[in-house]
Amino acid sequence: QVQLVQSGAEVKKPGASVKVSCKASGYTFTSYGISWVRQAPGQGLEWMGWISAYNGNTNYAQKLQGRVTMTTDTSTSTAYMELRSLRSDDTAVYYCARVLGYGCHDYWGQGTLVTVSS
Amino acid sequence: EIVLTQSPGTLSLSPGERATLSCRASQSVSSSYLAWYQQKPGQAPRLLIYGASSRATGIPDRFSGSGSGTDFTLTISRLEPEDFAVYYCQQYGSSSWTFGQGTKVEIK
Repeated sequence: QVQLVQSGAEVKKPGASVKVSCKASGYTFTSYGISWVRQAPGQGLEWMGWISAYNGNTNYAQKLQGRVTMTTDTSTSTAYMELRSLRSDDTAVYYCARVLGYGCHDYWGQGTLVTVSS
Repeated sequence: EIVLTQSPGTLSLSPGERATLSCRASQSVSSSYLAWYQQKPGQAPRLLIYGASSRATGIPDRFSGSGSGTDFTLTISRLEPEDFAVYYCQQYGSSSWTFGQGTKVEIK
């Protein structure tokens, strides 16, 4: 069965960086893209960006351009999201999600809580 | 960027009632790329509907989606206790995605 398993919770200080991993199993990793979506406490869903697991092409949300980098390691079927220059408003649960051809997200990771606090 | 506006913000209904949720886009969205998700507290979102009207695998037929252009609707024909949750619409276009702000369906 398809599974996306994310790394554990992180606590970071303002200005630091965080790297969250998302290990895929149960399907051919390079056949699908991965999106990253975050959700601040009590708020809605915010799309952060997408990466093709086939060729590494990326597209990032404009507001995060320059601070976010998404990568994949096809040898381990793992996607990564790195966010730099963290601020308190980056505190959120970060999800990875598999992208279907219809532009929808059919499988999601369990979420990773990133807390930014001094 | 296409903005999705969901209404109402909160819907207070009783089990067995019909729920109608609206998602309006700031510009036309391809029906192929409009999806709906359900999210319960402490859980990841769950795909309900894709392509505006196709149910995802395992989704009960009380959930249906409709609409085109800028106006889309998610209907839950008879609310079950497990349907009380937050619902989000989402669109895809030009290699980017946006979500609506969500509609909370709560028990009246």
